[in-house]
Amino acid sequence: RKEVEQDPGPFNVPEGATVAFNCTYSNSASQSFFWYRQDCRKEPKLLMSVYSSGNEDGRFTAQLNRASQYISLLIRDSKLSDSATYLCVVNGIFGNEKLTFGTGTRLTIIP
Amino acid sequence: NAGVTQTPKFRILKIGQSMTLQCTQDMNHNYMYWYRQDPGMGLKLIYYSVGAGITDKGEVPNGYNVSRSTTEDFPLRLELAAPSQTSVYFCASTLAGTVETQYFGPGTRLLVL
Repeated sequence: RKEVEQDPGPFNVPEGATVAFNCTYSNSASQSFFWYRQDCRKEPKLLMSVYSSGNEDGRFTAQLNRASQYISLLIRDSKLSDSATYLCVVNGIFGNEKLTFGTGTRLTIIP
Repeated sequence: NAGVTQTPKFRILKIGQSMTLQCTQDMNHNYMYWYRQDPGMGLKLIYYSVGAGITDKGEVPNGYNVSRSTTEDFPLRLELAAPSQTSVYFCASTLAGTVETQYFGPGTRLLVL
């Protein structure tokens, strides 16, 4: 079983819609959780951290369920500029200095 | 601040050749990392370093070597290139205690034929 699993998509969503991505992780001892965004042929960049209490940043909401080992990202009122690959990232699987990346979920927003 | 810079941007190697991928950061970060990303896949950690003179293996270190003689530089060496090493290589850096906020370079695309 992969340490971090994501639905690869692609998700093709009309502009203005709400879209949600899910991610599961295998190691219950994992410490912290994040979403990174990667544009086509570019480097990944941190989008937001994920907390048990939930974390909201504008149109983006991230949620963690430790009991189910499940992380989610919700994007409301999607924009064309949201088209990217979203990487689920976990810290603490192989030590606290390292991040483990999921394979990513590709999102395309359709005008 | 240039951030994290990587050279070259793109390279074609023949099987058995060797090369060094360069990575430099000017943010005085103590932690540095090398990842590879195969098409449609997530990033896999090759090697990492928590400071000058200290390096350690990641998930996929075979076929690679690193050194960290200065805080700024973290070169990745491929000794005998193989087609399986065709990938995009990303270098990243961060400060201790802020592992989640890794700053990535623009990547090096390597094709081994």
